[in-house]
Amino acid sequence: NAGVTQTPKFRVLKTGQSMTLLCAQDMNHEYMYWYRQDPGMGLRLIHYSVGEGTTAKGEVPDGYNVSRLKKQNFLLGLESAAPSQTSVYFCASSYVVGETQYFGPGTRLLVL
Amino acid sequence: SQQGEEDPQALSIQEGENATMNCSYKTSINNLQWYRQNSGRGLVHLILIRSNEREKHSGRLRVTLDTSKKSSSLLITASRAADTASYFCATSGNQFYFGTGTSLTVIP
Repeated sequence: NAGVTQTPKFRVLKTGQSMTLLCAQDMNHEYMYWYRQDPGMGLRLIHYSVGEGTTAKGEVPDGYNVSRLKKQNFLLGLESAAPSQTSVYFCASSYVVGETQYFGPGTRLLVL
Repeated sequence: SQQGEEDPQALSIQEGENATMNCSYKTSINNLQWYRQNSGRGLVHLILIRSNEREKHSGRLRVTLDTSKKSSSLLITASRAADTASYFCATSGNQFYFGTGTSLTVIP
């Protein structure tokens, strides 16, 4: 039982490049979330999903897209990376919306 | 703007002492949760308190919630060096918001 896993752990991008972050959970949770964490800012919700095939915007969705084609996977895409997207990205999942969330180990992204 | 704000931002105590951190929020909530984050790691859920509860205990953790003041506190009793981490409150209502965190250092 791996819980929530994230791929990759670390990535360096040049401005304008694209990439996809993968989140996978093996707990059969309906709800999945993507956050970014910046120094002094806490975690901010980017997008979330309430089930396979459904996604919704969070607090800071601009510049990101998401997809939930399979229940266990939640993908976060950056179409054209900007230095302002340098951050640590965390994925989480929960059985019930708004209740206990289980977090992945994070992906550290540096955009030059 | 952030829904939750923790106070203090940083706290340093001796092992064995109690640590108290506070969280204030702005809008109505269904529940409030506390999470811990060790350096370079993901967040780990500690405790959840619902809006109709006033106090909850879990091991050495005690959480209080005052919905009239829109505030919560987390008390860690008899702290240990292993409690060194950042602690975040998170509010769940129409959306889910995390606070900015309290960095706790427990000195052996």
